[in-house]
Amino acid sequence: NAGVTQTPKFRILKIGQSMTLQCTQDMNHNYMYWYRQDPGMGLKLIYYSVGAGITDKGEVPNGYNVSRSTTEDFPLRLELAAPSQTSVYFCASSYLGTGYGYTFGSGTRLTVV
Amino acid sequence: DAKTTQPTSMDCAEGRAANLPCNHSTISGNEYVYWYRQIHSQGPQYIIHGLKNNETNEMASLIITEDRKSSTLILPHATLRDTAVYYCIVRVAMPNTGNQFYFGTGTSLTVIP
Repeated sequence: NAGVTQTPKFRILKIGQSMTLQCTQDMNHNYMYWYRQDPGMGLKLIYYSVGAGITDKGEVPNGYNVSRSTTEDFPLRLELAAPSQTSVYFCASSYLGTGYGYTFGSGTRLTVV
Repeated sequence: DAKTTQPTSMDCAEGRAANLPCNHSTISGNEYVYWYRQIHSQGPQYIIHGLKNNETNEMASLIITEDRKSSTLILPHATLRDTAVYYCIVRVAMPNTGNQFYFGTGTSLTVIP
């Protein structure tokens, strides 16, 4: 049981490049989330999904896109990377979302130069 | 969304109880209080949650005041491995859209040998 797996762990992008951060969970959780964490700050919600085919915006969705074609996968797409997107990205999942905590992945550290 | 207020940092002697306070004066009747911690740059780890009653598990105890406007996380015998940032979060339960956790900046707990 791997839990929540994020790839890659580290990435350096040039301004204007695009990339996809992968997130997979094997716990059959229906809810999945993407957060970003800037240095010395708390986590901010980017996008979330309550099930396959359903996604919605969080606090800071601009510059990102997501899709949820399966229960297991919730990739985060960065289009036209900007320095402001330099951050650590965490994916999380939860079951039903009521009374249960999140399970977080180990994070992806992204630097845009 | 109910906001939380936590001290920026705290120290605790190893082996002593660590008491981490949190104010959430605007909490609604059906909102839970969750506690997470984040060690180094790892993904946050669930600790405990509660609604009205005090809760205890193998990691910690959660004391919620009768008016629910504040709570305290207690680590009964702090160890060096408990050095982390601790987040107090009020869960916004949104029907059909999942539970969105809003993370603040938390309390940085340092356990001193």
